Amino acid sequence: GAVVSQHPSWVICKSGTSVKIECRSLDFQATTMFWYRQFPKQSLMLMATSNEGSKATYEQGVEKDKFLINHASLTLSTLTVTSAHPEDSSFYICSARPGTSGTSYEQYFGPGTRLTVT
Amino acid sequence: SQKIEQNSEALNIQEGKTATLTCNYTNYSPAYLQWYRQDPGRGPVFLLLIRENEKEKRKERLKVTFDTTLKQSLFHITASQPADSATYLCALDEGYSTLTFGKGTMLLVSP
Repeated sequence: GAVVSQHPSWVICKSGTSVKIECRSLDFQATTMFWYRQFPKQSLMLMATSNEGSKATYEQGVEKDKFLINHASLTLSTLTVTSAHPEDSSFYICSARPGTSGTSYEQYFGPGTRLTVT
Repeated sequence: SQKIEQNSEALNIQEGKTATLTCNYTNYSPAYLQWYRQDPGRGPVFLLLIRENEKEKRKERLKVTFDTTLKQSLFHITASQPADSATYLCALDEGYSTLTFGKGTMLLVSP
């Protein structure tokens, strides 16, 4: 149980284009999903917290107009990187916290999406 | 400033021995501390969660201790196996349900 999928697993795009990454909880519902970014040999950095049916909460320094997050259902959140630039190249990972009542604290992570912007 | 420190150098041990990884933190008051395993190019996998009022938690060959006075957690893998080779991340939750991760420690278990 507690499986989270991401699609695509890797993507290469040209500078200036937009890329959408999907995150799905396959066997549980999640009111809250999280988006992280990880650069090589660095820790996961939280970008934003996504709550179903409401606007995402972005961490300081993360441009909300560049990284669009939509949490349309209890099993799906999407991250769209708009007008991507080479410095946006990174490993993007989503996670989901089980439950709808906020009593679970562990997070289950997707396999990640490797984005390369050329 | 706030810091989460894990051994930056890889830990090399022989199969069958106990691996002990350290997580120290500064200027945090975590309500929960979690440990994750991450393999190269993959997302982290949840291993154990320990609450601030718990001293120790066990799951199969894994044991986590949490000392809020020392501001330290230790993560032990007993009877280690080559398949345990991975990077292990500690993460703090101050009760707001968001996690702050350390950089992780790479564990290499040789046969």
